[in-house]
Amino acid sequence: GAGVSQTPSNKVTEKGKYVELRCDPISGHTALYWYRQSLGQGPEFLIYFQGTGAADDSGLPNDRFFAVRPEGSVSTLKIQRTERGDSAVYLCASSLVGGRAQFFGPGTRLTVL
Amino acid sequence: QKEVEQDPGPLSVPEGAIVSLNCTYSNSAFQYFMWYRQYSRKGPELLMYTYSSGNKEDGRFTAQVDKSSKYISLFIRDSQPSDSATYLCAITVQGGSEKLVFGKGMKLTVNP
Repeated sequence: GAGVSQTPSNKVTEKGKYVELRCDPISGHTALYWYRQSLGQGPEFLIYFQGTGAADDSGLPNDRFFAVRPEGSVSTLKIQRTERGDSAVYLCASSLVGGRAQFFGPGTRLTVL
Repeated sequence: QKEVEQDPGPLSVPEGAIVSLNCTYSNSAFQYFMWYRQYSRKGPELLMYTYSSGNKEDGRFTAQVDKSSKYISLFIRDSQPSDSATYLCAITVQGGSEKLVFGKGMKLTVNP
């Protein structure tokens, strides 16, 4: 069966540009999470969606980061005015309602030059 | 003090060895404990998931939780070169977003 998919797999951009990262969760999973993983570190939580609403966005580092999930399935993480410090792997995970087993996608490797 | 501490290693062992990976945590509200395996340039893959203190076994893998000491372990028996990866502990609390709090990850190499 299809797992979590993320596109693009790699994104190189210039400082100050805007980027969008897409996540397609496992079919039927209503919970969706975004994490960010820097080199040599574990993933760090960014935002959680239950259905269409962002139920917990406490991990977003600042207001340059925003995410949407308009139809309760696909989600897009948007980063404005990118900075070099935003370079990392952005991971998406999904789970069943109330499920604690989160299944991760392969990630998008973002490089800001 | 970070909420979850994990020795990042690296750890190198011969094939067939028993591997012990450990994490400690500070928040007694944590209730659910997971181990993920992450191959290079891949997303984390769920290996083990446990709730209560004690042991949970799945094939060559055993997850152990000691809530009184706030200590969790993953044991790998008869380690194989294909086990070479980074192992991440992840912990969460019941209710709310159930966001995972991860350790730094331990890089394991099993040498043939």
